[in-house]
Amino acid sequence: DAEITQSPRHKITETGRQVTLACHQTWNHNNMFWYRQDLGHGLRLIHYSYGVQDTNKGEVSDGYSVSRSNTEDLPLTLESAASSQTSVYFCASSGGPGGSRTDTQYFGPGTRLTVL
Amino acid sequence: GNSVTQMEGPVTLSEEAFLTINCTYTATGYPSLFWYVQYPGEGLQLLLKATKADDKGSNKGFEATYRKETTSFHLEKGSVQVSDSAVYFCALSTGGSYIPTFGRGTSLIVHP
Repeated sequence: DAEITQSPRHKITETGRQVTLACHQTWNHNNMFWYRQDLGHGLRLIHYSYGVQDTNKGEVSDGYSVSRSNTEDLPLTLESAASSQTSVYFCASSGGPGGSRTDTQYFGPGTRLTVL
Repeated sequence: GNSVTQMEGPVTLSEEAFLTINCTYTATGYPSLFWYVQYPGEGLQLLLKATKADDKGSNKGFEATYRKETTSFHLEKGSVQVSDSAVYFCALSTGGSYIPTFGRGTSLIVHP
């Protein structure tokens, strides 16, 4: 069965360290997204990609970067972790070839990141 | 721009009670409408969707009808169970973008 996975599921790091969160999907979806979820803020979009070599900034992209070298993976990098980046991070994907507005987003299980 | 407004939670109910979670939206064009559910410790998953006016989405006893005249997509269930305790997100998606707009989420707590 197709799926979307994230690793690690939990991560504790220190302020100033570089951290990379992995996201891998086997749906063969064109579109991939990274969100963070914080109490009182709902889901906020960090970065997204519509295909290989395509990346775009979302509403809260400062301090984060992504790269898309293949269809399956969209790793999220925190260049220099800050305490404000403590959050739960979700990866999602959608849209096979010729995607549309009716496409469902499929979410990974999330990564809980704590920055000390 | 697009926006989704959900009732604030938490919504607390006893088992077998009737559930309504309100959702209204503003959008350009003709959006598709979605309800996603997030169980504790998990990612969001699609609960149901409707892609045009007057469509009714349904799944697991939940229903929602796409009401264009009132720009609403309220979620209902006739008899909730403890296992329905979760956070429910209303969302919309419009043509030309694959980025959905999510509401803030509504927490549902069902007591035995």
